[in-house]
Amino acid sequence: DTAVSQTPKYLVTQMGNDKSIKCEQNLGHDTMYWYKQDSKKFLKIMFSYNNKELIINETVPNRFSPKSPDKAHLNLHINSLELGDSAVYFCASTATSLNGELFFGEGSRLTVL
Amino acid sequence: QKEVEQDPGPLSVPEGAIVSLNCTYSNSAFQYFMWYRQYSRKGPELLMYTYSSGNKEDGRFTAQVDKSSKYISLFIRDSQPSDSATYLCAMSKAAGNKLTFGGGTRVLVKP
Repeated sequence: DTAVSQTPKYLVTQMGNDKSIKCEQNLGHDTMYWYKQDSKKFLKIMFSYNNKELIINETVPNRFSPKSPDKAHLNLHINSLELGDSAVYFCASTATSLNGELFFGEGSRLTVL
Repeated sequence: QKEVEQDPGPLSVPEGAIVSLNCTYSNSAFQYFMWYRQYSRKGPELLMYTYSSGNKEDGRFTAQVDKSSKYISLFIRDSQPSDSATYLCAMSKAAGNKLTFGGGTRVLVKP
């Protein structure tokens, strides 16, 4: 019973393709995030949703489109993949009562060839 | 220059030694400070959480915050091989606000 689960864990694809990553949390949290971790380990926030509403949208190319069908799910769709999109994408969740403590999934490692 | 700076390491220590990690930051608005541990091929997990300046101890881990110097530290006493991981500092301006992460320090504890 993983708390924050992401699928797929590994994704290898060609430039120009479109791909999606899914995330689900069973912690009852109301806020979910997508982070990108590059090869130098920097974690950068991409998006945040609170109760299905987009609240943070960092400077991310519009090829990236998040979608939250309900507060337990947050998906990330990427169009026209580029080499620079290769990274590990982490989903995370939190609740208002937790003062910002994030619970991370295990990551989805995307490789664009 | 990044908002939060952290030496990437690797920091190699013998088992039983004290591990000393630190981060510097530039934005004086940061109030909440955290340390996350990330094992290889895993997601980060929260280790320590502190508010404003001061010390906090939890078992073998001690977190220190010096807001006047914009400097935070994490100490690991009696280090174990299982402490080998990347340690990321993170901070936010208010409770529940987005976190800004450092780039992480890789720690290797050798038996």
